[in-house]
Amino acid sequence: EAQVTQNPRYLITVTGKKLTVTCSQNMNHEYMSWYRQDPGLGLRQIYYSMNVEVTDKGDVPEGYKVSRKEKRNFPLILESPSPNQTSLYFCASSLYRGRGEAFFGQGTRLTVV
Amino acid sequence: RKEVEQDPGPFNVPEGATVAFNCTYSNSASQSFFWYRQDCRKEPKLLMSVYSSGNEDGRFTAQLNRASQYISLLIRDSKLSDSATYLCVVRPGRGGADGLTFGKGTHLIIQP
Repeated sequence: EAQVTQNPRYLITVTGKKLTVTCSQNMNHEYMSWYRQDPGLGLRQIYYSMNVEVTDKGDVPEGYKVSRKEKRNFPLILESPSPNQTSLYFCASSLYRGRGEAFFGQGTRLTVV
Repeated sequence: RKEVEQDPGPFNVPEGATVAFNCTYSNSASQSFFWYRQDCRKEPKLLMSVYSSGNEDGRFTAQLNRASQYISLLIRDSKLSDSATYLCVVRPGRGGADGLTFGKGTHLIIQP
């Protein structure tokens, strides 16, 4: 089954404790991205990757890092989480940048206390 | 002006009614247009692409007006299962930082 898989689905952590949210897709898509969704603000892009070893900032990259060492995986790293990073996070992939449907993972609800 | 603007609603509509909502976009160079559906706290899923000539998929009809820069979605014979948030999504032309710009969504509630 074609899918985008995120883990964990729910995470509660404390300020400053590094964490990684994993994202994996099995569709051989080149383009992957991370979004956060907050009430009243909609979906905002954090980072995106056009292919292996090619990443770039989206609209709200501060406080986040990403890597793309393999085509299928695109982890989101919070080196020192803060309460304002409490949000619902989605990973998405599409065949190429600028083309095709975007498939989303099921989301990760992160709470930073 | 916001890049993609939608009325957040909620729209409360009786089952069986026809409901329509619009979305406006600011980037005249936008190339592709979509409606995504998002159920409460779940991932967005593609409902339909929007083509210049307009397109229909069962009870759903999408239309694009490039001159006025708006997109519409019409739902006929609404079902309880249509209750969801509908996201208007626009893809800029070449040179855009990403493929997709999302509206904040329109919340639709179908009532029995």
